[in-house]
Amino acid sequence: QQQVRQSPQSLTVWEGETAILNCSYEDSTFDYFPWYWQFPRESPALLIAIRPVSNKKEDGRFTIFFNKREKKLSLHITDSQPGDSATYFCAASGGYKLTFGTGTSLLVDP
Amino acid sequence: DAGVTQTPRHEVAEKGQTIILKCEPVSGHNDLFWYRQTKIQGLELLSYFRSKSLMEDGGAFKDRFKAEMLNSSFSTLKIQPTEPKDSAVYLCASSGLGGQDEQYFGPGTRLTVL
Repeated sequence: QQQVRQSPQSLTVWEGETAILNCSYEDSTFDYFPWYWQFPRESPALLIAIRPVSNKKEDGRFTIFFNKREKKLSLHITDSQPGDSATYFCAASGGYKLTFGTGTSLLVDP
Repeated sequence: DAGVTQTPRHEVAEKGQTIILKCEPVSGHNDLFWYRQTKIQGLELLSYFRSKSLMEDGGAFKDRFKAEMLNSSFSTLKIQPTEPKDSAVYLCASSGLGGQDEQYFGPGTRLTVL
């Protein structure tokens, strides 16, 4: 049972384009949605997070859009850079436990 | 401040062996998590401790996986006996508020079971 789903599995964009990573969830009690990124041979690290009190969270070139009614969110990376190439994990929590999606592998071509 | 530390970084075991992985969380963090990461299954939660108390022991991982938290600054994950399918990266993470706060991940232990 996959409670947090991500799409696409992999994505390639050109440098300067906007990358859009999608995430959906099933459990309506989830109230905290972080995105983690993971570079090759490194561990996951928190990138940006949102709580349902707002439907948008922005941090520089990274923006989360949140749709509570549809149980969907997306991560937009504007002006993508080769250094953004990584695997991005959407996660969700309704308490102590964080449930991760299976990740989107992003490649930014220069 | 030191981040999460894990030892060893790499471990090679024969099928049937017992291995013990170690983790030291960020000082002052109350919550500690053990995850297993593979390309196919992604990040799977093995165990979760809150203030040294075991809150989740991983369901399907119960039979051969045992995590312990001997004190607030040290945890172990024992796999006994190991099987080839256990080959994966084992990550330890800690946070101040469990799933509602940033989790800081250690560098991981890459386990290969022959």
